[in-house]
Amino acid sequence: AAGVIQSPRHLIKEKRETATLKCYPIPRHDTVYWYQQGPGQDPQFLISFYEKMQSDKGSIPDRFSAQQFSDYHSELNMSSLELGDSALYFCASSPVGDSYEQYFGPGTRLTVT
Amino acid sequence: GEDVEQSLFLSVREGDSSVINCTYTDSSSTYLYWYKQEPGAGLQLLTYIFSNMDMKQDQRLTVLLNKKDKHLSLRIADTQTGDSAIYFCAESKDSSYKLIFGSGTRLLVRP
Repeated sequence: AAGVIQSPRHLIKEKRETATLKCYPIPRHDTVYWYQQGPGQDPQFLISFYEKMQSDKGSIPDRFSAQQFSDYHSELNMSSLELGDSALYFCASSPVGDSYEQYFGPGTRLTVT
Repeated sequence: GEDVEQSLFLSVREGDSSVINCTYTDSSSTYLYWYKQEPGAGLQLLTYIFSNMDMKQDQRLTVLLNKKDKHLSLRIADTQTGDSAIYFCAESKDSSYKLIFGSGTRLLVRP
């Protein structure tokens, strides 16, 4: 079965650089969620999109922005990177009509040096 | 997360049953979940339960919900070494489907 695709899987950036993470939801899923998981921590909700509109916002820094495109893929843009942004970034998607079911991608490991 | 609490560690012998517990504070939680995370991997949705249910069984997994005590448990029957992972409890509501996770329980299965 198709799963959520995230790219890149690993990313190394320096402080103050920018990064773009991409997420391709499972086909026929219309909702995308982004989560951040720091080392040894539980995932924290950042932002979500339903039908290309932002549906909810969590503890996402102002330096980060995201959007969902017409093909339902989503991108998380991160600017002025800080050491504390080093984490696993997960994207999850939900099927049409079943927004409570979230299926996670493998994550992008971002390391800021 | 502070709204969802789990014990940090559980060790069981292969073939035994494992019971992982979770408590949550928000009585308006509509959905409760169990996710599994293996080292360096993503989060695998194991099962979920609606707040108007008190039990759900799926093969080796049994979820029990005590809504009065805001207590959720996951029982894994005949635990195998491949079940060793971190198990996260999570909750969400109809008003926002964002997941609020517990801190995770590391399950170690000894041969």
